[in-house]
Amino acid sequence: QVQLQESGPGLVKPSETLSLTCTVSGYSISSGFYWGWIRQPPGKGLEWIGTIYHSGSTYYNPSLKSRVSISVDTSKNQFSLKLTSVTAADTAVYYCARHTGYFDYWGQGALVTVSS
Amino acid sequence: EVVLTQSPGTLSLSPGERATLSCRASQSVRSNYLAWYQQKPGQAPRLLIYGASTRATDFPDRFSGSGSGTDFTLTISRLEPEDFAMYYCQEYGNSPPGTFGGGTKVEIK
Repeated sequence: QVQLQESGPGLVKPSETLSLTCTVSGYSISSGFYWGWIRQPPGKGLEWIGTIYHSGSTYYNPSLKSRVSISVDTSKNQFSLKLTSVTAADTAVYYCARHTGYFDYWGQGALVTVSS
Repeated sequence: EVVLTQSPGTLSLSPGERATLSCRASQSVRSNYLAWYQQKPGQAPRLLIYGASTRATDFPDRFSGSGSGTDFTLTISRLEPEDFAMYYCQEYGNSPPGTFGGGTKVEIK
């Protein structure tokens, strides 16, 4: 059974960088598939942030592309998200998921609040 | 970029009733690459339907998906209490590959 778990700071100051890591178990990232990040502001809908292939190829939401970076560490079976210059509008639950075109396995989500 | 419009925003129904949710795309979805997700409060979304009509293994056959091109439908034949939730559609046939609709809330009337 594929499982994903997000980790990282729950509070980030405005203008700083949000960093989250997703640890995958039950499947080796290096075996294939794409891996993605999705976020959901409180009370709102889902927004795809970006996706990475195990080789390191990335695809980003054009609306966030200038601030987003996703990387992969196959030795740790993890992939990571960095979002720079955050504002209150970036406050959301951040999910990592396996991206098979659709998203078939999801982490439980990590709430990140942007506040001073 | 494809824009997905879900309607209605909220659907108020009673257990046992039929629910029909719509997802309309601003341009044709290649190969009917459309998925539906169910999300309950405080939980991550769960994949419900992919390829417009293939049901994920966790879900019973009262859930069905249909449609092609730009118009897609999720139908719940007879609502059970556990079906009251948010439902999102997502297309993955075009670029960028992760566009979601705004969601439909199915609530108890």
